[in-house]
Amino acid sequence: SYELTQPPSVSVSPGQTARITCSGEKLDKKLTAWYQQKPGQSPLLVIYQDTKRPSGIPERFSGSTSGNTATLTIAGTQALDEADYYCQTWDSDNVIFGGGTKLTVL
Amino acid sequence: QVTLTESGPALLKPRQTLTLTCNFSAFSLTTFGLSVNWVRQPPGKALEWLALIHWGGGEYYNTSLRTRLTISRDTSKNQVVLTMTDMDPVDTATYYCARMGGGIRLGGFFDYWGQGALVTVSS
Repeated sequence: SYELTQPPSVSVSPGQTARITCSGEKLDKKLTAWYQQKPGQSPLLVIYQDTKRPSGIPERFSGSTSGNTATLTIAGTQALDEADYYCQTWDSDNVIFGGGTKLTVL
Repeated sequence: QVTLTESGPALLKPRQTLTLTCNFSAFSLTTFGLSVNWVRQPPGKALEWLALIHWGGGEYYNTSLRTRLTISRDTSKNQVVLTMTDMDPVDTATYYCARMGGGIRLGGFFDYWGQGALVTVSS
């Protein structure tokens, strides 16, 4: 079955750029979405269809895909960006989520 | 604005059947390209997609859980129901109802989520 692999954790200093990766076979032939989830809250869509940003999501969030890897980039990371991040795609009529990455801003 | 609200039992015993209801507002499930999905998250773990029902009434299921799941809709009530049979303690999770936009398969993404319903399975 198809899998999306994310690093369990990423750390970044405030103001720096955070990059969270999501790897899956031929992921560049699919479309990837990214979600932010803070403790006790429902997930929030931050990137869809690889690069698109929903209204209300700050411009510092961006997405890209190359080869087998999709990347969520957070420029000028702020303390309020500390959260779990999940990537998501489709394969064989199933929705697939990555295992999640805990972003720590320290 | 779009809202989705889950309801159902908070506690089940092993081997019982879970029935969850999602009541939604501000959109119609007959609108082309939209679907309502169920996603769960065990405590401290990742998201797992369960099932969807789309604008035309078509149903898609997580392949590994297919035999235990049934999803249905009542478009007149703006309601989607998920049943999951033979519940086990490993099914303890927060169950989310979520709207999917962008169609299904290739480009679908979850643009609105409910607040989630915690379901505990224990004898």
